[in-house]
Amino acid sequence: EAQVTQNPRYLITVTGKKLTVTCSQNMNHEYMSWYRQDPGLGLRQIYYSMNVEVTDKGDVPEGYKVSRKEKRNFPLILESPSPNQTSLYFCASSETGTSNEQFFGPGTRLTVL
Amino acid sequence: GDSVTQMEGPVTLSEEAFLTINCTYTATGYPSLFWYVQYPGEGLQLLLKATKADDKGSNKGFEATYRKETTSFHLEKGSVQVSDSAVYFCARTKRAGFQKLVFGTGTRLLVSP
Repeated sequence: EAQVTQNPRYLITVTGKKLTVTCSQNMNHEYMSWYRQDPGLGLRQIYYSMNVEVTDKGDVPEGYKVSRKEKRNFPLILESPSPNQTSLYFCASSETGTSNEQFFGPGTRLTVL
Repeated sequence: GDSVTQMEGPVTLSEEAFLTINCTYTATGYPSLFWYVQYPGEGLQLLLKATKADDKGSNKGFEATYRKETTSFHLEKGSVQVSDSAVYFCARTKRAGFQKLVFGTGTRLLVSP
């Protein structure tokens, strides 16, 4: 089944404790992206990747890191999480091309205390 | 800059009622336009899309027409069902030839029997 998977689905952590949210897709997509969803703000892009070893900042990259060592994986790293990073995070992937559908993972709900 | 504006929710309807959710976008470039739907506890799924002016996207009884003259992409359905209850997001590509999506804030639809 074609899908984007994220782990963990739920995470409660404390300020400053490094964490990684994994994202993996099995559709051989070049493009991958991370978003955060907050009430009243919709989805905002954190980082994206056009292909292996090619990543770039989105609209809200502060406090996040990403890497793209393999085509299928695109982990999101929070080196020192803070409470304002409490949010619902989505990973997405698509083929290259502006009209192509982005496929979303099920989301990771992160709470930083 | 590039942005998408959606009507505030929630939109509350009875089953079989007519649905319109308004969406307007900033008229920069020649974006592709999308409607995504998010069911409770899930990631976003593409509902429909349109890639140029006067295109009509349609799926599952939903329709939206790309109106360049009014910079709008309103979502309509003739007869909603309880199972249509979800959050609907309008989105545009950031600019022509660029894959990044800019999302509206989402509109929650509640359909009662």
